[in-house]
Amino acid sequence: QKEVEQDPGPLSVPEGAIVSLNCTYSNSAFQYFMWYRQYSRKGPELLMYTYSSGNKEDGRFTAQVDKSSKYISLFIRDSQPSDSATYLCAMKGYGGATNKLIFGTGTLLAVQP
Amino acid sequence: GAGVSQTPSNKVTEKGKYVELRCDPISGHTALYWYRQSLGQGPEFLIYFQGTGAADDSGLPNDRFFAVRPEGSVSTLKIQRTERGDSAVYLCASSPQTVSGANVLTFGAGSRLTVL
Repeated sequence: QKEVEQDPGPLSVPEGAIVSLNCTYSNSAFQYFMWYRQYSRKGPELLMYTYSSGNKEDGRFTAQVDKSSKYISLFIRDSQPSDSATYLCAMKGYGGATNKLIFGTGTLLAVQP
Repeated sequence: GAGVSQTPSNKVTEKGKYVELRCDPISGHTALYWYRQSLGQGPEFLIYFQGTGAADDSGLPNDRFFAVRPEGSVSTLKIQRTERGDSAVYLCASSPQTVSGANVLTFGAGSRLTVL
């Protein structure tokens, strides 16, 4: 079983829809949770990060972390065709000798105009 | 530089050949990471440098893979005796000294390696 599970999609929605992307994880030591967006043939770019549980909002994007359920979500409001990309969740523990991020497989999102 | 630069952007080689992939991180970033991304998969951790030293190389798949960062800036990932299974996009990322543990990584566009 992978440490981080993510539905690969693809997910297709009409422009203006609310999109929900999710990941589950098994390692209770994870404390930092990130969402990266990756366009085709580009490197991942950071969208949001959250420490521990709770919500964080940035414009049309909201990240939620539920550590009790080991479940994180990214919501995109008023989705745009330019949001079409692969969305990767990533997470890591606190401190220790390593700073490596563990990524999900990514969810491919297509927003149809 | 303004971002993380990786060269070459594409590399096609034959099975058994030696390959070097280069990463030039953001100026001042002390931490540098190498990840490998296969088609349809998320990035898979290979190695992490803090300064010149490899702080964690637990992701290197075998002894054919090696990475260096001799002056604490540019890094080179070296792959000996390449195999077809090594075909992937090799991503480099850098980050400043960790602030509150968030460890925000900035990725390059990657080097796409194809082993024939």
